[in-house]
Amino acid sequence: AQSVTQLDSQVPVFEEAPVELRCNYSSSVSVYLFWYVQYPNQGLQLLLKYLSGSTLVKGINGFEAEFNKSQTSFHLRKPSVHISDTAEYFCAVSDPGAYNTDKLIFGTGTRLQVFP
Amino acid sequence: EAGVAQSPRYKIIEKRQSVAFWCNPISGHATLYWYQQILGQGPKLLIQFQNNGVVDDSQLPKDRFSAERLKGVDSTLKIQPAKLEDSAVYLCASSYSRTGGTGELFFGEGSRLTVL
Repeated sequence: AQSVTQLDSQVPVFEEAPVELRCNYSSSVSVYLFWYVQYPNQGLQLLLKYLSGSTLVKGINGFEAEFNKSQTSFHLRKPSVHISDTAEYFCAVSDPGAYNTDKLIFGTGTRLQVFP
Repeated sequence: EAGVAQSPRYKIIEKRQSVAFWCNPISGHATLYWYQQILGQGPKLLIQFQNNGVVDDSQLPKDRFSAERLKGVDSTLKIQPAKLEDSAVYLCASSYSRTGGTGELFFGEGSRLTVL
């Protein structure tokens, strides 16, 4: 079964610094990969997704992620964070070969805390 | 466009009592999901509907949880009787896709259940 590992439960960073949130997945076959963000007291919102094609994926709010098949990773990056980026970030995976391609398996989340 | 609506936002009950959560998806979205998010964990899919049929309920504890989606629109998730370990946020999500989706789910704000 597929699984997702988010290596850092919390990432503290100062405003305007770069940040990388790490995500590794277990499957060696083709996958769909996603990053969702959850702001306090809100539902999850899609940041970006990788389905196929270019391995560098750009999302909303200046975030990007790079799909690395050899390392089975899909790390999320932002060159300069803002206070408003403080939130919980979830990496997720689904199986494009399955009947239910919308069945997302989520990681445990990384809490990004941006300090002034 | 109105988002996914959920109610109630918060519910506190004692163990062995019952509770029901309601979800109204985005208009026109064929697929509806219920996820359970326990504190410190990522969301876990409980049940997925496509229109009013069940696509996946493999992780739904059927001895105490039930869900329905009458007329392919609104959905209710019921827990009876509740256990302490059911304390979690119950997230409803919807997506437009009918088959072969690409993982863009739209989430509601969630219903937080505390079982005492």
